[in-house]
Parts: sequence; C-alpha cells; structure tokens
Amino acid sequence: QKEVEQNSGPLSVPEGAIASLNCTYSDRVSQSFFWYRQYSGKSPELIMSIYSNGDKEDGRFTAQLNKASQYVSLLIRDSQPSDSATYLCAVNIEGGSQGNLIFGKGTKLSVKP
Amino acid sequence: ETGVTQTPRHLVMGMTNKKSLKCEQHLGHNAMYWYKQSAKKPLELMFVYSLEERVENNSVPSRFSPECPNSSHLFLHLHTLQPEDSALYLCASSQDPEAGELFFGEGSRLTVL
Repeated sequence: QKEVEQNSGPLSVPEGAIASLNCTYSDRVSQSFFWYRQYSGKSPELIMSIYSNGDKEDGRFTAQLNKASQYVSLLIRDSQPSDSATYLCAVNIEGGSQGNLIFGKGTKLSVKP
Repeated sequence: ETGVTQTPRHLVMGMTNKKSLKCEQHLGHNAMYWYKQSAKKPLELMFVYSLEERVENNSVPSRFSPECPNSSHLFLHLHTLQPEDSALYLCASSQDPEAGELFFGEGSRLTVL
C-alpha cells in the first residue's frame, strides 16, 4: 500500500515566523511531488511542484526534496495569517495508472497575528 | 466562466434518490477527475477520464456512475447511496493525465440521509 504521511497538526506559528511542513512517502520510485493548499470550505489549490532533489523557491515558499530519505517539505517564510490553511502533500506514483496521485491527509497550519 | 465549475454546491438526498453532480472545465484540459474528500481521510481518487475515455476506476462502488460526454464536461450519477457516502466530491482537470498538476472545482457537498 503506497502511502503519503503528514502530521495532521495543527501547527501553530506566530506571524513572521518560518512554518515548516513535512511529508514522507513510501514509494521509492516516485518522481513528482506537489504541495496543495486548501482553505477551510474551499478546494485544494496547487502552490508548489518539485521533481528533483534539492530546494525550489517561489516567493515566500520553498519546497525541499530528498529522495534518498523519501521526504519532501514545504517552508513558508514570513508566515502571514492568510497562510492559515491545510497543506496537502501529493506524490505521483511512477508507472502507476494515469492520474495516480496519492495525497496525504494534510497538515493544518495556523498563523497567529 | 473560468476554471472548473461544479454544480450543485450542496446536495441532500435520501438513500433511494437518484441525482447527478455536474462539472465543467474551461481550461482546455485533456483529463478530468472525480475525487472524494471525507473528514480525517486523504483525498480519494474515484475516476479519471482522458480525452473522454475512462482510464481509471479506483474500485468505486457501482452506485457511483461517471459520464464524460466531451472533454469539457463530467458528470457523476448517484443512486441508492449510503449515509457513509456523505462527503465533499471534487472535480478536477489537468492538461496531462500523468502529471500531478490538478485544477480543482469548488466541490459538491453531499449529504445522504
């Protein structure tokens, strides 16, 4: 059973701090990794994708991938109350049937003013 | 209209009813998906259509019946549902069915009495 694990939280950080969200996955041959943000009562929205080891930065967001350790993380710098949401990690299974994107349960982030 | 739109946004039905969920994408994408989101569970893939052909049926009970008349429209026909089918049903689309970059609709909140 291929799985994606996330700490459900809630993760609470003060405004301006760095929020660190972590995700581990079980399928060693996975090649594509994604972070989706889901505000309460809304649908998921893709915010980051990463395909190779290392860091990928986009504004205040940095995705980090370590395939050897099978983890992917999302750092949010200068956290804002508007970042409060549930963050879903998703992994595309190599060689799986089309659309085989495995989601974690999500980590709820709360940024306190 | 832009993005992915779903109707109805909320639906309450009895176990003997027949209803349908509708999804329309205005992004020119080739693939469309139905996902189920329940509390405390990861997003579950139900069906994938690529160029109007169903390519994935993720062991979904036959009381859920998808229909994809063209690349822009997707339906989920519901009949004789159970209370445990109550959930948020999310439609998504993507340009590449083997990638993980999904664009979600706002969802249809289904309650089965």
